Amino acid sequence: EAQVTQNPRYLITVTGKKLTVTCSQNMNHEYMSWYRQDPGLGLRQIYYSMNVEVTDKGDVPEGYKVSRKEKRNFPLILESPSPNQTSLYFCASRVGTGKYEAFFGQGTRLTVV
Amino acid sequence: AQKVTQAQTEISVVEKEDVTLDCVYETRDTTYYLFWYKQPPSGELVFLIRRNSFDEQNEISGRYSWNFQKSTSSFNFTITASQVVDSAVYFCALSDALKAAGNKLTFGGGTRVLVKP
Repeated sequence: EAQVTQNPRYLITVTGKKLTVTCSQNMNHEYMSWYRQDPGLGLRQIYYSMNVEVTDKGDVPEGYKVSRKEKRNFPLILESPSPNQTSLYFCASRVGTGKYEAFFGQGTRLTVV
Repeated sequence: AQKVTQAQTEISVVEKEDVTLDCVYETRDTTYYLFWYKQPPSGELVFLIRRNSFDEQNEISGRYSWNFQKSTSSFNFTITASQVVDSAVYFCALSDALKAAGNKLTFGGGTRVLVKP
């Protein structure tokens, strides 16, 4: 089954404690992204990757890091989480740009206290 | 810069009523793509439809229909004879055709639809 898998689904952490949210896709897609969803703002792109070792900032990259060492994996790293990073996070992959729909993971609800 | 506006934050209807969700977009590109996604209470994002900027033909899929009007930069979504299972947040999104920039989907703020029995 074609899917994007995120872990964990839920996470509560304390300010400043480094965390990683994993994302893996089994569709051999080149393009992967991370989005955060906040009420009234929809989804906003954090970072994206067009292929292995190729990543770039999206609209809201501050406080986040990513890496793309393998095609299937695209982890999101919060080196020093803060309460304003409390949000619902989605990983997405696409076979290409433009007309291709994005496939989304199940989401990770992160709370930073 | 691209922008998608969903002015309706929440719509409440009684089952079997029709409901129309508005989506207005802004882009400078001549070639672009519009999408609708559904987010049910379980939280996942489900792709519903894609429309390219050169195709203004309306589309119907079961109880769902979409009206794309380039002249007004709108891509509205109608649910006919709504059902409780249609209760969800619906997102409109825009993607341009350029290789790098096109990797991003620009989302509207979403419209929560509540269908009461």
